[in-house]
Amino acid sequence: EAGVVQSPRYKIIEKKQPVAFWCNPISGHNTLYWYLQNLGQGPELLIRYENEEAVDDSQLPKDRFSAERLKGVDSTLKIQPAELGDSAVYLCASSLGRSYYNEQFFGPGTRLTVL
Amino acid sequence: AQKITQTQPGMFVQEKEAVTLDCTYDTSDPSYGLFWYKQPSSGEMIFLIYQGSYDQQNATEGRYSLNFQKARKSANLVISASQLGDSAMYFCAMREGRAGNTPLVFGKGTRLSVIA
Repeated sequence: EAGVVQSPRYKIIEKKQPVAFWCNPISGHNTLYWYLQNLGQGPELLIRYENEEAVDDSQLPKDRFSAERLKGVDSTLKIQPAELGDSAVYLCASSLGRSYYNEQFFGPGTRLTVL
Repeated sequence: AQKITQTQPGMFVQEKEAVTLDCTYDTSDPSYGLFWYKQPSSGEMIFLIYQGSYDQQNATEGRYSLNFQKARKSANLVISASQLGDSAMYFCAMREGRAGNTPLVFGKGTRLSVIA
């Protein structure tokens, strides 16, 4: 079974440029998460989707960040315009169902460097 | 207030020895789950072990065991017989509530280095 797929793995851009990250969750997983991981820190939630609905986006900086999950499958996270402080790893994760024990499966992440 | 605290920024262990990575948590919810993830230099987060707040016994998965002390709010990870491939960042995480799709809250991690 394929895991969570993310692309690109690495992205280098200049500040003020736009950038987009793509995530394909594990087939059938209805919950999708985007996490931000700064250097030397643990991941922090940016947004959570239940199918195509964003149900937890309080940590998403909406002035420059946007996300979508069309048809409840793939998801795209966009930053426009990027700032130096956005340099980090962006992790996508997915999970299935709402059972008490529910493992989140993570993708390899996209490492963004803003120059 | 920090919900997950990992006080050891870095740890060294000799190959084949056991090591304990500390994790304390803070929650007022009686229902919660505790997770440990491994993050190698390649970047992916690898699930290691899970402990539910109502579980009576400490969780074990192969060489990994979780020393769960509910009254002290600690969930330490024990790795037995360390291997060179265990060198990585280790993150403790918590999910509050009974819904399995609640996001995880992570600690800052501990970098484990296994020495030959």
